[in-house]
Amino acid sequence: DAGVTQSPTHLIKTRGQQVTLRCSPKSGHDTVSWYQQALGQGPQFIFQYYEEEERQRGNFPDRFSGHQFPNYSSELNVNALLLGDSALYLCASSRTVLIGAFFGQGTRLTVV
Amino acid sequence: AQSVAQPEDQVNVAEGNPLTVKCTYSVSGNPYLFWYVQYPNRGLQFLLKYITGDNLVKGSYGFEAEFNKSQTSFHLKKPSALVSDSALYFCAVRDFGGTSYGKLTFGQGTILTVHP
Repeated sequence: DAGVTQSPTHLIKTRGQQVTLRCSPKSGHDTVSWYQQALGQGPQFIFQYYEEEERQRGNFPDRFSGHQFPNYSSELNVNALLLGDSALYLCASSRTVLIGAFFGQGTRLTVV
Repeated sequence: AQSVAQPEDQVNVAEGNPLTVKCTYSVSGNPYLFWYVQYPNRGLQFLLKYITGDNLVKGSYGFEAEFNKSQTSFHLKKPSALVSDSALYFCAVRDFGGTSYGKLTFGQGTILTVHP
């Protein structure tokens, strides 16, 4: 059973560009959450998707958006990239009825 | 709002000695508490969780954590540290109820270094 998989593993973008990160949840999981982990910091909650809708959102600007597909996989989109968006982006999947989340390896985004 | 504090940025121990990584939390109701470990350039690996019941929770790789409601603490412990335990450790609390759906709030992390 594959766990949570994220792609790509590394990405370099230029300021002002747009980026899409992808996540496939662990088998049997229906909920996907995204976190941003800046260097030297703990992960910060961006948003959570369930039944293809954004269910909860953290304190991130509208430049951060997402999507969940019928197969429960998810995308994180960031528009108008800033240098400060450079971070490790983590996807976590879970089941609504269970407590706990499994994390992917993350996507390292560098904005230059 | 919920919060987590890890008061030590770094913890250094000798191999074979016991280790403790500290965590305190603040929530409005009963807490769901977690410990995760992160190796360089990797995601988060789940170690253990406290939901309810016994205050001493046992987890992966010989780690355990003690829940103390009166002190609002959830310290991570291991009786005998290994060099391979060296990593970044995160404590997290999950909110629940109302319009919350399991968002995790993390501490800043503690770097554990185990010396041979």
